[in-house]
Amino acid sequence: GENVEQHPSTLSVQEGDSAVIKCTYSDSASNYFPWYKQELGKRPQLIIDIRSNVGEKKDQRIAVTLNKTAKHFSLHITETQPEDSAVYFCADSNDYKLSFGAGTTVTVRA
Amino acid sequence: EAQVTQNPRYLITVTGKKLTVTCSQNMNHEYMSWYRQDPGLGLRQIYYSMNVEVTDKGDVPEGYKVSRKEKRNFPLILESPSPNQTSLYFCASSALAGGYNEQFFGPGTRLTVL
Repeated sequence: GENVEQHPSTLSVQEGDSAVIKCTYSDSASNYFPWYKQELGKRPQLIIDIRSNVGEKKDQRIAVTLNKTAKHFSLHITETQPEDSAVYFCADSNDYKLSFGAGTTVTVRA
Repeated sequence: EAQVTQNPRYLITVTGKKLTVTCSQNMNHEYMSWYRQDPGLGLRQIYYSMNVEVTDKGDVPEGYKVSRKEKRNFPLILESPSPNQTSLYFCASSALAGGYNEQFFGPGTRLTVL
């Protein structure tokens, strides 16, 4: 992977609403797109990933979509809860290198 | 317990004083990697290793060295630290080639270079 742009950098949502984070990448050879969540003071942890032969993947309240033609992928969190407050990182990979976006700080307001 | 450990967790040092941050994993993972995390820049890969004695540069390798003499250990060496290397450092490992598999991160090492 090479440059990954992530937007927005901060996101504040009301509890119960949805949150969407978008990433674009430039390396057309990228074929693996993970999302990591980092709570304050903790290490990043994988929450969901998608491979280039799949357009969408869902796991309970989180889903990821991938548009290879447009070179962008998105994270969707539905019915947000206070524990969803964290920094989220997208990443892309081509073989052995992994490139992360700059991160999105999500705040869920009670 | 399956884990990635790093030592030290916190380190304050002075410019030019060589230091090593250790990283060890007990999951028999082939792939290990070092990242630095800076505000507004996300996680940037410094070096990675696909297996013993096989290492390669990531996106920001300048000023760092690594070695992989054993499968479980992947130390990060700063031969002559400078203030711009003040950062939060994470080691990570994964079962196979890192790009295709979940990265398991260590707890992080906060380094300050004065």
